[in-house]
Amino acid sequence: DARVTQTPRHKVTEMGQEVTMRCQPILGHNTVFWYRQTMMQGLELLAYFRNRAPLDDSGMPKDRFSAEMPDATLATLKIQPSEPRDSAVYFCASGSGPAAQGAYQPQHFGDGTRLSIL
Amino acid sequence: AQKITQTQPGMFVQEKEAVTLDCTYDTSDPSYGLFWYKQPSSGEMIFLIYQGSYDQQNATEGRYSLNFQKARKSANLVISASQLGDSAMYFCAMRGINTGNQFYFGTGTSLTVIP
Repeated sequence: DARVTQTPRHKVTEMGQEVTMRCQPILGHNTVFWYRQTMMQGLELLAYFRNRAPLDDSGMPKDRFSAEMPDATLATLKIQPSEPRDSAVYFCASGSGPAAQGAYQPQHFGDGTRLSIL
Repeated sequence: AQKITQTQPGMFVQEKEAVTLDCTYDTSDPSYGLFWYKQPSSGEMIFLIYQGSYDQQNATEGRYSLNFQKARKSANLVISASQLGDSAMYFCAMRGINTGNQFYFGTGTSLTVIP
């Protein structure tokens, strides 16, 4: 089965360090999403791309977070500088646009990056 | 605006029994899709089942079925013959024709299956 691949699975680093998370979407999917999940806030949408173009990054703290898709097989989420409050699980998901009238495709999630900022 | 509401923070069910997890939604989109995801304690998000707003029949996938009541704007997940491995968080989600690719998620329901 095709899968969304995220690396690293776990990351522990000190406050102030740069963190880069990577995502390989499912081949053929044209949308990529980044989510952050915490106990307090639940699942939050940070950014998403369609055909590699950023469509919405309003959920992302602009001063320290950045998301890019350098090519169709790679999406990145960077935090610089990182802070303890960034500790969370970060998910990447990919999907396709609406198919036939009334038919919608699900998102498929990667296994997440569990990030701990000390 | 789109909104998904899951009012049951936690549910318990006896093994082998059926359980219904509630989901209501609010949208002005004439066409939309509804989804359920499972998140076990290991953390991954697993797609379970999909229902299109124009679908005449309720969706079924193995032991999962979706009780779709369009007039009431509800899309409840029914799990039949619960198994211990069904213990997990369950999220309801929606995407609509006017919101393109964006998904809206509920806050989730934690299901515990009791042996």
